[in-house]
Order: sequence, then C-alpha cells, then structure tokens
Amino acid sequence: QSALTQPASVSGSLGQSITISCTGTNTDIGGYDYVSWYQRHPGKAPKLIIFEVHNRPSGVSIRFSGSKSGNTASLTISGLQTEDEADYFCSSYSNTAVVYVFGSGTTVNVL
Amino acid sequence: QVQLQESGPGLVKPSETLYVSCKVSGGAMSDYWWNWIRQSPGKGLEWIGYVDDSGNTNYDPSLKSRVAISLDMSGNQVFLNLSSVTAADTAVYYCARGSMFRGVLRFDPWGQGTLVTVSS
Repeated sequence: QSALTQPASVSGSLGQSITISCTGTNTDIGGYDYVSWYQRHPGKAPKLIIFEVHNRPSGVSIRFSGSKSGNTASLTISGLQTEDEADYFCSSYSNTAVVYVFGSGTTVNVL
Repeated sequence: QVQLQESGPGLVKPSETLYVSCKVSGGAMSDYWWNWIRQSPGKGLEWIGYVDDSGNTNYDPSLKSRVAISLDMSGNQVFLNLSSVTAADTAVYYCARGSMFRGVLRFDPWGQGTLVTVSS
C-alpha cells in the first residue's frame, strides 16, 4: 500500500482540463511544500514535471500546474493532448523514517 | 544531457541476492545523490535509498537490513544489492539522480528501469 493516495485513473477529452489528487498526511504533504509530480509513458523513464508543489522544470509545458491544500496535492493538466496519456506519480518529503514517499500512480486516458 | 541506464539479471531465485547496476552517461556523478526506487506489480513507487558522492547512504528502514547501495565514480556506475529476496521484491528497479535543495532531494533524471523477477 502506497504512502500517498491517488485515483487509479482519470479520463478527459482532448482540450479539456483534468485534475489528479494526491492525499497524504501532516507528516508529508501537509507538513512541507516538497511535493513533486512525475510523468511516465509506457516503457520510458519517469520525468519530473512539477517540484516544490507548483514549480515547473525548464522545458515542461505550462499546461501542467500543481497546487496543495492541507494534506492533499493536485496536478492539473489543461488543454489535454494525446501525448499526455501516461502514468502520473506524486511524491513528497516525509519527516518519518521513510524520507521520501510516493503515490500509487494515476493513469490518464485521453478520450 | 545526463542519461541513466539500469541493468539487471531479469530473474533471481528466492533467498538469493539481487544485483542491479546503473550506468551514468553525459554528466558528472559528484555533487549528486544517487537513488534507487522500485515499483512492484500493481503497486506504487517505493524509495529504496541513496548513496551520495562521499559514499554516505540512507535507506528505507524496512529494507535497511538487506540493502546496500554503492558508487563507482571512475566507472560512472551506481549499484544496488538486495539480499534474501522474496517474491515481494519482484519489481521494476529505477535509478534516479537526486539534487539537494534546502535539504530535500529532487529526483531528475531517471532511468527507464529494469524488471527483476524473483522466482524459483
């Protein structure tokens, strides 16, 4: 069982916006602004797309945005495109013995 | 551009030791923390641990008694040893470079991962 809870799948139509949630506790997401999001296409390396809740690395599309409220972080993909079909994982720093925790992963389907 | 490529045995027998390596190309290994992260079938990602460029390590407490991560700076490689494996250790094993910002690691880039199956 993953430390952070994500929906198994989220679907949206081309051009729409979708939001993926990531729920933790006050020892991880709720306690720190160190939430990251990763995108993974089948058979490919995971790619960092959001760090420190809402920051995008250079080269990542502005269609990806992150936010946090309490113990839940969210990733929003706006203007959904076919290349956004992938698995998305959240991650957070944790003040428990397991320093870095991850989510269960969400598969995004573009209809 | 830094690239990471994992290599592993594919199949390991129960109770044996799993050895996985990660070749780093296109960049230096110093000033970074080198991590192993895995994903078991049907489960989320799990951080295993890291080694820094001085050889200091930090591991997930649940794996600490069985895991060792090491570095070969001259050969640009990172290694993972996991002993006494069981079927629960069947997973895709990823290597990821960690950069430290305000005491917290950011994982970027990652390798494509290597699948290791534990079975007799």
